[in-house]
Amino acid sequence: GAGVSQTPSNKVTEKGKYVELRCDPISGHTALYWYRQSLGQGPEFLIYFQGTGAADDSGLPNDRFFAVRPEGSVSTLKIQRTERGDSAVYLCASSLKFGGFAEQYFGPGTRLTVT
Amino acid sequence: AQRVTQPEKLLSVFKGAPVELKCNYSYSGSPELFWYVQYSRQRLQLLLRHISRESIKGFTADLNKGETSFHLKKPFAQEEDSAMYYCAQNYTGANSKLTFGKGITLSVRP
Repeated sequence: GAGVSQTPSNKVTEKGKYVELRCDPISGHTALYWYRQSLGQGPEFLIYFQGTGAADDSGLPNDRFFAVRPEGSVSTLKIQRTERGDSAVYLCASSLKFGGFAEQYFGPGTRLTVT
Repeated sequence: AQRVTQPEKLLSVFKGAPVELKCNYSYSGSPELFWYVQYSRQRLQLLLRHISRESIKGFTADLNKGETSFHLKKPFAQEEDSAMYYCAQNYTGANSKLTFGKGITLSVRP
């Protein structure tokens, strides 16, 4: 079946602009995670959703970052007033359930470049 | 804070040689440990987790609580094992957010 999809695959934007990154999880997966991977680093947790609510947003670096999942399926990560330091690959993952261990399936990522 | 350490960035071996990818974690309650792999032009995927105690593609990893380590091993490397490998940890009984190490590139030469 279809895996996690993310759009766009690449996004180049100018410093100070607003961007939205979209994640389509696997159908039926209730948990959704956002991670950020900077060059030479492993993925770093940003936020996760159980259903429509953000259950843990402790990884968001500052208030320029915000994410929504209004219908419990598709999620959008929003970044305001982008900075060059926001350049990274943004990964989305989904899992069948929340808590315990449920394998997280990752999307291909969106590569964000802030010039 | 949770921390996962992968001390090496690159391991290059010849086909058929043994492989050990090192991982150390910060102890916190009862962690769950994982190895994720990313092959060229593919997405990140789970390779194995310590609880399942299984061997995947010839790889095994044993959790050593005394040394807080979870090294990934394979006795005879294959060229198709060339990839980026990440060790990851999460808390049991809590949410499933993962803490990743920086990763190591495994290169298996013919």
